[in-house]
Amino acid sequence: DAGVIQSPRHEVTEMGQEVTLRCKPISGHNSLFWYRQTMMRGLELLIYFNNNVPIDDSGMPEDRFSAKMPNASFSTLKIQPSEPRDSAVYFCASTPTGARYEQYFGPGTRLTVT
Amino acid sequence: ILNVEQSPQSLHVQEGDSTNFTCSFPSSNFYALHWYRWETAKSPEALFVMTLNGDEKKKGRISATLNTKEGYSYLYIKGSQPEDSATYLCAFINNFNKFYFGSGTKLNVKP
Repeated sequence: DAGVIQSPRHEVTEMGQEVTLRCKPISGHNSLFWYRQTMMRGLELLIYFNNNVPIDDSGMPEDRFSAKMPNASFSTLKIQPSEPRDSAVYFCASTPTGARYEQYFGPGTRLTVT
Repeated sequence: ILNVEQSPQSLHVQEGDSTNFTCSFPSSNFYALHWYRWETAKSPEALFVMTLNGDEKKKGRISATLNTKEGYSYLYIKGSQPEDSATYLCAFINNFNKFYFGSGTKLNVKP
């Protein structure tokens, strides 16, 4: 298996632009997690899906952030409009089902908003 | 505010030393505890998922214990090697499926 796939690996954009990050979970995994890593706050869970349904989105910073999982093999995290403080590494992870299984992390997307 | 605390924040040991660190979490509404190993510029790698009080898990030279009644988990590394240098992160998950991460223990193993 190729593992969790994220794209792009690096994204540089200007403030105000829309940014879309993509994630393909491991085939057969039913839960998908989006995280953000910053120096100030460490690793934060933004949202997680179980069977394509958002279970907990309380970590989503504000309305500028939205996440979708239209099917079991694809998810997007969108930031519109982006701001410099959104600069971070965004990780996606998947598990077979829920929080009692090991999470497999993707390589991350490093986002820089100038 | 729910606190997950890890101690120490950082640790420097010599190759061959055994070491351990702690993750403290609330003793109520426990669902699961995760340990991760995170090397700089890489993705976190799952080490253990622990769900039952008294759990002990082992993977090679690394092992972990869990005490949900008092709210702590220990991670042990026996005979540390330079390749064990990484940040070790724990995450507490409560019955409401909320994740709370500690700030990690940064381990540096000198050859």
